[in-house]
Amino acid sequence: DAKTTQPTSMDCAEGRAANLPCNHSTISGNEYVYWYRQIHSQGPQYIIHGLKNNETNEMASLIITEDRKSSTLILPHATLRDTAVYYCIADDYKLSFGAGTTVTVRA
Amino acid sequence: GAVVSQHPSRVICKSGTSVKIECRSLDFQATTMFWYRQFPKQSLMLMATSNEGSKATYEQGVEKDKFLINHASLTLSTLTVTSAHPEDSSFYICSARDRRRAGSGELFFGEGSRLTVL
Repeated sequence: DAKTTQPTSMDCAEGRAANLPCNHSTISGNEYVYWYRQIHSQGPQYIIHGLKNNETNEMASLIITEDRKSSTLILPHATLRDTAVYYCIADDYKLSFGAGTTVTVRA
Repeated sequence: GAVVSQHPSRVICKSGTSVKIECRSLDFQATTMFWYRQFPKQSLMLMATSNEGSKATYEQGVEKDKFLINHASLTLSTLTVTSAHPEDSSFYICSARDRRRAGSGELFFGEGSRLTVL
């Protein structure tokens, strides 16, 4: 599984878009980019995943660079309930979690 | 999305006793389940991969005789912490992958089980 690098923390304003970057420069061709988030004392929640193309669902959008060495998770309209630790994972089978980004949404 | 249920959500036990945690996939069959452990203010650490009908594969540094994993059916995996000690106190989380989407499908996580060993 490829190592990922994320900012330790970030703040964003309620109602604004939150852009969470992730570097995965050693990602291999068959590894997907997954995003999960964890709200305190709960199990991780799936957000989105992709291989090469950009993806969008009801929760977020995932933008993957053409060389696949980095990606950005976009929460289009952050709410206070989006405060959580966000994990970016590059893997093809089992998911190994890094430190993640602690996102705090402020009113 | 698919549901993975863990039981119990919280358990307190005395040092030296064994504790069993169940992980069930409620609306799908899971050929593979994964067990994680999370200490306070730390990330999830993968402990082992549980495959239905075969022995679990443990990550480096995880004692297989300490953490017994059984995956007897396509919807149930159990983790037994044997002879638990206070340092085993942690948040244990399981996840499962839908066998119909094993190639690229997302992992679904349980709610976690908080173990406190006195």
